[in-house]
Amino acid sequence: DAGVIQSPRHEVTEMGQEVTLRCKPISGHDYLFWYRQTMMRGLELLIYFNNNVPIDDSGMPEDRFSAKMPNASFSTLKIQPSEPRDSAVYFCASSSGTRSHNEQFFGPGTRLTVL
Amino acid sequence: DAKTTQPPSMDCAEGRAANLPCNHSTISGNEYVYWYRQIHSQGPQYIIHGLKNNETNEMASLIITEDRKSSTLILPHATLRDTAVYYCIVRVQGNNRLAFGKGNQVVVIP
Repeated sequence: DAGVIQSPRHEVTEMGQEVTLRCKPISGHDYLFWYRQTMMRGLELLIYFNNNVPIDDSGMPEDRFSAKMPNASFSTLKIQPSEPRDSAVYFCASSSGTRSHNEQFFGPGTRLTVL
Repeated sequence: DAKTTQPPSMDCAEGRAANLPCNHSTISGNEYVYWYRQIHSQGPQYIIHGLKNNETNEMASLIITEDRKSSTLILPHATLRDTAVYYCIVRVQGNNRLAFGKGNQVVVIP
């Protein structure tokens, strides 16, 4: 298995631009998570899906952030418009609900820089 | 979920056992202890979890005290590739939220 795949690995954009981060979870996993990591705030859960349905989006910072999961093999996290304070590493993770302890498998992350 | 306390950093000698402590004095009876680690520039990686019995897998051993207020992750023979931030997390089984704290920056020294 290729593991969780994220793209792009690095993104540099200017303030005000739209940014779209992509994630392909591990095949067969029914949970998908989006995290953000910064030096100041550490690793934070933004939102997670179960069977393509958003379950908990309480960590989404504000309306500029949106996440979708149109099918079991693809999810996007969009920031519109982007701001410098959105600069961070964004991780996607997936897990299987059939495993009682829902071990989460993380992707390599997307490093976002907003100038 | 109960809060955990870890030292901010520690050094370990290559080839020796590394003992990583974690305090979770407010843990509830239905909360498990999980350990993840994050190697530089990578996503976090699951290591091990336990409820009250000691656990061992191919990566590490987890020792939980009888009162469950603290635990120790043991890397039996630390290698340079074990240099990472180690996170001790307490959560209820089935709770999908992982609350990562600041973790313990472990450096394995040759």
